[in-house]
Amino acid sequence: TQLLEQSPQFLSIQEGENLTVYCNSSSVFSSLQWYRQEPGEGPVLLVTVVTGGEVKKLKRLTFQFGDARKDSSLHITAAQPGDTGLYLCAGAGGTYKYIFGTGTRLKVLA
Amino acid sequence: DVKVTQSSRYLVKRTGEKVFLECVQDMDHENMFWYRQDPGLGLRLIYFSYDVKMKEKGDIPEGYSVSREKKERFSLILESASTNQTSMYLCASSPPRVATRGELFFGEGSRLTVL
Repeated sequence: TQLLEQSPQFLSIQEGENLTVYCNSSSVFSSLQWYRQEPGEGPVLLVTVVTGGEVKKLKRLTFQFGDARKDSSLHITAAQPGDTGLYLCAGAGGTYKYIFGTGTRLKVLA
Repeated sequence: DVKVTQSSRYLVKRTGEKVFLECVQDMDHENMFWYRQDPGLGLRLIYFSYDVKMKEKGDIPEGYSVSREKKERFSLILESASTNQTSMYLCASSPPRVATRGELFFGEGSRLTVL
């Protein structure tokens, strides 16, 4: 069974701080996605990474796919209250399936 | 604006009741999914469908069934609701074959409480 473990599970930081969220597995994934979910809403895609070692930037968010395609990280620079939400990684687990991580709940305090 | 619409945002049902959760997408996507979301467990796949009348079990199909009679509509059925099925249910759709690299579009979720 493919599993994706995220750490930390909870994170509460002050506005302006930097943070990193990790997504780890013992399985190899052909691609990995990061989603953000705000209260009362469904998850929304932030990025898809495909190549081992790939780095993608989305404004203050930097996403990296591990060289072996088993892990990924999300780094946020100078966090803002608008970054608050649940961050989920999801690995492509087959032709149709996505394996979701356990989630990291981030709260950024003003 | 692309949209996945779930029929009910909040439901309260009693143990043993039959529950229908409906999902409609307007993007002409072949693939549709039902996930269950519980704190600390992330999203777990219940069932998915890659075409009309086609369905595949996900990781936790026990106690659930699905129906896909039309391309745009995917229904989740709890034949006899139990308290351990209290959860947030999320429907999603995605385009074909690029599904493993493509985006999942989610509905807003249906929070089900079984008493």
